[in-house]
Parts: sequence; structure tokens; C-alpha cells
Amino acid sequence: AQRVTQPEKLLSVFKGAPVELKCNYSYSGSPELFWYVQYSRQRLQLLLRHISRESIKGFTADLNKGETSFHLKKPFAQEEDSAMYYCALQEGSQGNLIFGKGTKLSVKP
Amino acid sequence: DAMVIQNPRYQVTQFGKPVTLSCSQTLNHNVMYWYQQKSSQAPKLLFHYYDKDFNNEADTPDNFQSRRPNTSFCFLDIRSPGLGDAAMYLCATSRASGYEQYFGPGTRLTVT
Repeated sequence: AQRVTQPEKLLSVFKGAPVELKCNYSYSGSPELFWYVQYSRQRLQLLLRHISRESIKGFTADLNKGETSFHLKKPFAQEEDSAMYYCALQEGSQGNLIFGKGTKLSVKP
Repeated sequence: DAMVIQNPRYQVTQFGKPVTLSCSQTLNHNVMYWYQQKSSQAPKLLFHYYDKDFNNEADTPDNFQSRRPNTSFCFLDIRSPGLGDAAMYLCATSRASGYEQYFGPGTRLTVT
């Protein structure tokens, strides 16, 4: 069955430290993966998708098919990065998303 | 600003009393989605419309229905809410399948 796992409910780092939010997936086909972010009192929004291979707000994510992972990384965390981060897998041709439970990132000054 | 709007933001209903949640969009997107998100859980897709075509997820309870009278509006009807239906309900839209989804702010439903 298709599944997205984010093993950490909460990740707390200091400003300037590297951050890695883990995401593992289970999918029989060729996956399309996304990271969505929800800042405090804001709506859920797309951060990045693996096919675009771009860096958004300093974040990058590489799809590793061998390890079935799509971890989100940033070399130097900022306080404004504090938010809830959801990894999501696009299922099938209809584009339905399967979300992980999310990781709350807290960046301390 | 083009956006996805959900009304109301907070809804309280009684056990067994039908309730309707509303979503509207000014993006002119073809696809509209409804997700249920319970506390500390992942958003879970209930169903979606591609234009007028309704697509129900296999495990969505029969208690949940949806209507899309036109491109801009989509409604979520819960016929007989139970205590277990208390959750945040998120509406999202996308231009087409596989494109970025744009989310509304959500409606938090409380069942008393």
C-alpha cells in the first residue's frame, strides 16, 4: 500500500544549524513527491516538488529511490523556517496526494 | 487576490445534525478536493471533483457527500455527524491532476 512516513513529530534546532526533515515512502510505481509547509496561522502551501529540482527558501530535497526517501534539507536554519512540514506522495494519474503526518520544525534563536 | 475560501472557519454541530461546509475558489481551477485532518494526523483525501466528475475515495464513509454546482463552489455535506467526525476539513484546488494544490484555511468542525 502507498504510504508516507515522517518519523519525527517534532524537530528542534538552533538558528544557523543544519536541518534535515526525514520522509520515507512506499509506492509501487514511479513516485512524484512534494513537500508542503504550513506556517503559523497560514494555510498549507507547496514548498517544493522533486521533479523541479529547485531550491526554495534554501531548502532542497533529493529523491533517493534506493532508500525510498525524500528528505528535506537546509544547511542553515532560520527562525522563520519554524513551521509544520508535510511530505506528500502523488498517487496515480489523478494526482491525489497521500500526506505524511507532518514534522513540526522549531528553530530557536 | 485569487484564492481558496472556506466558510465557516469554525463550525459546531450536534451529534446527528446534518452540516454543510463550503469552499469557493477564484482560481478557476478544474479540480477541487476535500481533505479531513484529525488532530496530529495527516490530511486524508475524502473525494475530489474534476470538473463535474466526482471521485470518491474507497474508504470515505457514506455519511460524507459532496456537491459542486459550478466551477467556483464545492460543498461537503455530513449527513449525520458523529463524535469521530470532529476534525479540520481542508479544501484544495488544482489546475489539473498532478498540478500544485492550493489549500484553503480549513474549517474546524466540532461535534457536541
